[in-house]
Amino acid sequence: NAGVTQTPKFRILKIGQSMTLQCTQDMNHNYMYWYRQDPGMGLKLIYYSVGAGITDKGEVPNGYNVSRSTTEDFPLRLELAAPSQTSVYFCASRIQGAWETQYFGPGTRLLVL
Amino acid sequence: AQSVTQLGSHVSVSEGALVLLRCNYSSSVPPYLFWYVQYPNQGLQLLLKYTSAATLVKGINGFEAEFKKSETSFHLTKPSAHMSDAAEYFCAVSEDSNYQLIWGAGTKLIIKP
Repeated sequence: NAGVTQTPKFRILKIGQSMTLQCTQDMNHNYMYWYRQDPGMGLKLIYYSVGAGITDKGEVPNGYNVSRSTTEDFPLRLELAAPSQTSVYFCASRIQGAWETQYFGPGTRLLVL
Repeated sequence: AQSVTQLGSHVSVSEGALVLLRCNYSSSVPPYLFWYVQYPNQGLQLLLKYTSAATLVKGINGFEAEFKKSETSFHLTKPSAHMSDAAEYFCAVSEDSNYQLIWGAGTKLIIKP
């Protein structure tokens, strides 16, 4: 049981490039989340999904897109990368229930130059 | 709207001293409350949570937190700090109607030898 896995661990992008951050969970969780964490700041929700085929915007969705074609995978797409997207990105998942624990991946560190 | 306030972006204590990290929340209904810990260069993991059972909640690594409805607080404590407790700690709140957690800005705990 690997939990939540994220790839890559680290990436450098040039301004205007695009990339996909991968997130996979093997716990059969229906809820999945993408956060970004900027230095010295808390977590900001980018997008979330409550099940395959269902996604919704969080607090900071601009510049990102997501899809959820399977229960396991929740990729985050960055189009036209900008320096403001330099951050650490975390994926998380949980089962249904507001009292349930969110399980986090190890994060992807992204640098846009 | 829900909100979470963590007093102090940095808290410094001596090894062996009491740890107290403060969290206050605003919620119109009884909430679910969480403390997560983030060790350097890692993802977040659950420390403990309150789900309307006992008001004093015990977590991992000797930490505990008390839910005080009258004070809308959920402060995190540990009687004796250890060097390995150095990390960032996040408080979060949720309600039954929520798909997502509302996060505090985090408190970095520094342990002095």
